[in-house]
Amino acid sequence: EPEVTQTPSHQVTQMGQEVILRCVPISNHLYFYWYRQILGQKVEFLVSFYNNEISEKSEIFDDQFSVERPDGSNFTLKIRSTKLEDSAMYFCASTSGRNNEQFFGPGTRLTVL
Amino acid sequence: DAKTTQPNSMESNEEEPVHLPCNHSTISGTDYIHWYRQLPSQGPEYVIHGLTSNVNNRMASLAIAEDRKSSTLILHRATLRDAAVYYCILSPMDSNYQLIWGAGTKLIIKP
Repeated sequence: EPEVTQTPSHQVTQMGQEVILRCVPISNHLYFYWYRQILGQKVEFLVSFYNNEISEKSEIFDDQFSVERPDGSNFTLKIRSTKLEDSAMYFCASTSGRNNEQFFGPGTRLTVL
Repeated sequence: DAKTTQPNSMESNEEEPVHLPCNHSTISGTDYIHWYRQLPSQGPEYVIHGLTSNVNNRMASLAIAEDRKSSTLILHRATLRDAAVYYCILSPMDSNYQLIWGAGTKLIIKP
């Protein structure tokens, strides 16, 4: 069964450093998403991506964040200068249609020291 | 943004049906109702979704009130593997069907 994969599973970084979180969505999916979940809190939408551009983004997704689909298979989330409060689980998701089932990856735990 | 209200936690016995309620009194006519669950240390997993009519799939049933201000997720025969946090989520058409998450219900299954 096809699945969304994410790497790395755990990333530790120093405050102010850049990080890139990687995702490989399901191959025939067209819509891609990043969510985050701070420990013990609810899942928060960050951004959606379709047709090689951002379709929606939340207030959390400020200028420090960017997304890219560089090669037709990977979908990346970059945080330019990490802050302590960026520590969270980051989940990638993909779907074949906007209101269809979203398939989530296992997440990347980002720890900012 | 439309919001949902769910109990913080519920307990059920293994092999019994479970009814998980959700209130969404500010829902608009084009908002879909989605349910996802999150098992411990895993990413969210889709359960079911609907608009107005009740829905059934291999995992669960979704009962939607006639006025759409509430819904109930029904697990017909809970197993230990169903222990998870269950999220009732609205997906508004005017936000490109973005999933707006609430706090969820932690479902505890007793053997």
